Amino acid sequence: GAVVSQHPSWVICKSGTSVKIECRSLDFQATTMFWYRQFPKQSLMLMATSNEGSKATYEQGVEKDKFLINHASLTLSTLTVTSAHPEDSSFYICSARWGSGSGNTIYFGEGSWLTVV
Amino acid sequence: SQQGEEDPQALSIQEGENATMNCSYKTSINNLQWYRQNSGRGLVHLILIRSNEREKHSGRLRVTLDTSKKSSSLLITASRAADTASYFCATDPPGMLTFGGGTRLMVKP
Repeated sequence: GAVVSQHPSWVICKSGTSVKIECRSLDFQATTMFWYRQFPKQSLMLMATSNEGSKATYEQGVEKDKFLINHASLTLSTLTVTSAHPEDSSFYICSARWGSGSGNTIYFGEGSWLTVV
Repeated sequence: SQQGEEDPQALSIQEGENATMNCSYKTSINNLQWYRQNSGRGLVHLILIRSNEREKHSGRLRVTLDTSKKSSSLLITASRAADTASYFCATDPPGMLTFGGGTRLMVKP
């Protein structure tokens, strides 16, 4: 079945540095990928929709200059947390829609734990 | 904003019992999808039900969709300890999948 891979699974970085998380669709092309953030025992919060070849669409309240999203190819989207602070520590999950139709299954990566110290 | 809202938020049952979780949403949808998440892990897709479907089965899973009430239910039959996880419903209007708060299911051996 369709697989979405995220890397890294765990990352620890110092305050003020930037960290990049990759999301890859391994056996299908994804024109649209989604980035979510999840706090412990809470649901997923959609951060942005990543569109291949164009700018990402950010949800209200999400700083686009803080969370840089690049969707350079049909199989790769990256999320860069810039000038990270401890409050950015969270679980970040990406997803990709299989196929171009809105009625298709959306598959999720395994998530990336970010800890900013 | 969250479109799907799950009920109950937490459910504890004995192995072998059935578990039923409900989900409600607010606007028209193309489909509704159920996911499972083990603690600190990614989401595993369980089942997709389209807006023109009323019921769908997959193994021990049974999903219903009532578009007039804007609600869905997930039934897990003959539960196992390995079913312990959080379960989310998510709606798919064009372009976006929005999640409910999830139901934390604990199945005691």
